[in-house]
Amino acid sequence: GQNIDQPTEMTATEGAIVQINCTYQTSGFNGLFWYQQHAGEAPTFLSYNVLDGLEEKGRFSSFLSRSKGYSYLLLKELQMKDSASYLCAVTHSGGYQKVTFGTGTKLQVIP
Amino acid sequence: DTEVTQTPKHLVMGMTNKKSLKCEQHMGHRAMYWYKQKAKKPPELMFVYSYEKLSINESVPSRFSPECPNSSLLNLHLHALQPEDSALYLCASSLQDGSYEQYFGPGTRLTVT
Repeated sequence: GQNIDQPTEMTATEGAIVQINCTYQTSGFNGLFWYQQHAGEAPTFLSYNVLDGLEEKGRFSSFLSRSKGYSYLLLKELQMKDSASYLCAVTHSGGYQKVTFGTGTKLQVIP
Repeated sequence: DTEVTQTPKHLVMGMTNKKSLKCEQHMGHRAMYWYKQKAKKPPELMFVYSYEKLSINESVPSRFSPECPNSSLLNLHLHALQPEDSALYLCASSLQDGSYEQYFGPGTRLTVT
């Protein structure tokens, strides 16, 4: 089966930097997504990593280590609107079709 | 147009009812997905359609029946549901397969009484 773990909740201060980790054990790993989901809304795409390394996109960066089964999402210059759940999701089983979401991390940004 | 639409937004149905959820996208995406999301849980994949053919069924009970009439539309037919099926049902689409970002619709909040 697939096992994707994230911390359940995190709290960080406005203007700070926060790192949200995701560890996974999957068969036929292809790539890893990060999505943001505000309460009561649909998930929205943040990033996709296939190769090892860091991908930077504005205030958000995502890192992947395939050998360690590990990824993180780095959020800089936190804003109150960043309060949301952050979901890592893995595509796997060789065919690029299956997507399994991690447990999600609820981030609260405080003043 | 980068929007996925879903109707209805809310649905309350009894255990003997038959209803359908609808999803539409006009982005030319060839993969479409149904997810079920319970409160404070991540989305769980139910079905994947690729080029209008069902390619993945994640062992979903037969009381859920998906249909893809054309490349823009995706339906989920519901029959004889159980109260535990109450959840947010999300539709998503991607350009071709799971290696592309998925665009999610706003979801249908389903309550089974």
